[in-house]
Amino acid sequence: DAKTTQPPSMDCAEGRAANLPCNHSTISGNEYVYWYRQIHSQGPQYIIHGLKNNETNEMASLIITEDRKSSTLILPHATLRDTAVYYCIVRVNYGGSQGNLIFGKGTKLSVKP
Amino acid sequence: DGGITQSPKYLFRKEGQNVTLSCEQNLNHDAMYWYRQDPGQGLRLIYYSQIVNDFQKGDIAEGYSVSREKKESFPLTVTSAQKNPTAFYLCASSITSGGGLDEQFFGPGTRLTVL
Repeated sequence: DAKTTQPPSMDCAEGRAANLPCNHSTISGNEYVYWYRQIHSQGPQYIIHGLKNNETNEMASLIITEDRKSSTLILPHATLRDTAVYYCIVRVNYGGSQGNLIFGKGTKLSVKP
Repeated sequence: DGGITQSPKYLFRKEGQNVTLSCEQNLNHDAMYWYRQDPGQGLRLIYYSQIVNDFQKGDIAEGYSVSREKKESFPLTVTSAQKNPTAFYLCASSITSGGGLDEQFFGPGTRLTVL
């Protein structure tokens, strides 16, 4: 079972910031938070990951609360092409089956003009 | 171009037939994975391979088989024992599954329909 909870759907206006929340209240100290997204009928795409510090890359920012029980993915200027299902995943950072990704149902983000 | 290819994009088979889905990567990745996705659901892990000639069952391996004879290739066979094979199948690879912050790269997927 996925160890994260996400809202099933969200809307965002084009050009505005999209803030996608994720709860992971049972996260362990050695587990990272990963975000992937999946555009309709395509394979998932990696976005970003973090442990406890906030992270930023060219696609998004990841804000993790101090207690690490929740996080928010921020798309600073959403475009229509950002419409997708966004998956929040917690995983350990080592190999074997423990390091496998476990996908929940994600949040379907709809960016509207 | 480096990447993961899956073919074909759409595949139709009659019930009771085995079918093999191909997955090839030229990223020089050690680890490869097969997932299944049903409508409105997340991905579920079928099999994964950390190195050539080695693979492990995922969460839903029953009715499936794999081989990993070459680093670049990880074909998945959907056997007649799989009760509900119609689904979207995704292949992925990562540099290694052992340590490191390795992300998984996904192929475009194969949509299998069993008639």
